[in-house]
Amino acid sequence: DQQVKQNSPSLSVQEGRISILNCDYTNSMFDYFLWYKKYPAEGPTFLISISSIKDKNEDGRFTVFLNKSAKHLSLHIVPSQPGDSAVYFCAATGQRSGYALNFGKGTSLLVTP
Amino acid sequence: EAQVTQNPRYLITVTGKKLTVTCSQNMNHEYMSWYRQDPGLGLRQIYYSMNVEVTDKGDVPEGYKVSRKEKRNFPLILESPSPNQTSLYFCASSGRGHDEQFFGPGTRLTVL
Repeated sequence: DQQVKQNSPSLSVQEGRISILNCDYTNSMFDYFLWYKKYPAEGPTFLISISSIKDKNEDGRFTVFLNKSAKHLSLHIVPSQPGDSAVYFCAATGQRSGYALNFGKGTSLLVTP
Repeated sequence: EAQVTQNPRYLITVTGKKLTVTCSQNMNHEYMSWYRQDPGLGLRQIYYSMNVEVTDKGDVPEGYKVSRKEKRNFPLILESPSPNQTSLYFCASSGRGHDEQFFGPGTRLTVL
């Protein structure tokens, strides 16, 4: 039972444009959401997170938006760069689930020059 | 350097031969976890540990064991590996459960 869903397996964006990666979740007990970035042959690396008490968190070119009523979050990358090409995983967790981390299946982003 | 290390990085074994994948972190983190990554399935949590001597099942614990006798180490044990456990395994740690998790480089396991 996939509690975190990333419905777009891949996304291609031109350099300089905005990349928008989407994520939906089903468990209303989740209260903390994270995005990870993964390059081939490496472990995932943390990118940005957001608590359920916020609806936006920004860090440089990366912004995460949370819509709790829709159980939806998105990651915006502006402007996109070729080095951003990677697989992006959305993850969710919560105190009531013992902070077990639930990952989506990932979205492969390709930023073309 | 703060890091999570896993050994071995690559392993080819045969069905039924017990194996252990070690995981160690040097950040004094309380929370540690194991994941497996399979094509089309993303990252799935196998087991996690909130602290020493405290472990809990994740989404796919069948066929795996873990132990947390020391804070820094969290080995993954496959008592009788089967081909469906062929996968890429990642260990991760964090200061608290909901903090960002630091991942190891991965262990690619093939069970013949």
